[in-house]
Amino acid sequence: QLQLQESGPGLVKPSETLSLTCTVSGGSISSSSYYWGWIRQPPGKGLEWIGSIYYSGSTYYNPSLKSRVTISVDTSKNQFSLKLSSVTAADTAVYYCARAYWYQLPPSFDYWGQGTLVTVSS
Amino acid sequence: QSVLTQPPSASGTPGQRVTISCSGSSSNIGSNTVNWYQQLPGTAPKLLIYSNNQRPSGVPDRFSGSKSGTSASLAISGLQSEDEADYYCAAWDDSLNAVVFGGGTKLTVL
Repeated sequence: QLQLQESGPGLVKPSETLSLTCTVSGGSISSSSYYWGWIRQPPGKGLEWIGSIYYSGSTYYNPSLKSRVTISVDTSKNQFSLKLSSVTAADTAVYYCARAYWYQLPPSFDYWGQGTLVTVSS
Repeated sequence: QSVLTQPPSASGTPGQRVTISCSGSSSNIGSNTVNWYQQLPGTAPKLLIYSNNQRPSGVPDRFSGSKSGTSASLAISGLQSEDEADYYCAAWDDSLNAVVFGGGTKLTVL
């Protein structure tokens, strides 16, 4: 059974960089047809797609966040990571990692991590 | 302000049929398929419907999806208490080159 687990600091200071890692177990991150993505959800609000990456390194980013986001993949560790720079309180959210079946648009996020709350505060 | 528009709330009694709408535009729902996600309280979202009307393995056939033009709908028949959750539609927007979500609909089972 595929499992995804987010890890990283739960508290980040304003203007600093948020860094999270998603570890995939029970399957290979190098599987064809699948991208790997990040989605966030501010407390009490809806979902926002951040971006997705293929094991080869090909990426798609939400244009509203693109200038601040970097998603990378480490196939040797079966992990992919998120970096969001210059954070503000508006970036406080539960961050989910998920597998995206990209055979048709929109991609279908069929496996999700449990989510991790990141709070931006001094 | 979400790119896709959903009613903030919906409700029904056990056994009823309820529908949740999702309105978009020609650049998203009008030109691509729609997915639906169910988010139970305190949990990660779960893929409920993909490609407008396809159910992943394990999703009961009480859940169905449809699309017409630039709008989509999720229907839940035989409503059960465990269906109380937030529901989100999602589509690809060709203009933004991005996945876009609706604002979510909170379903209450009375």
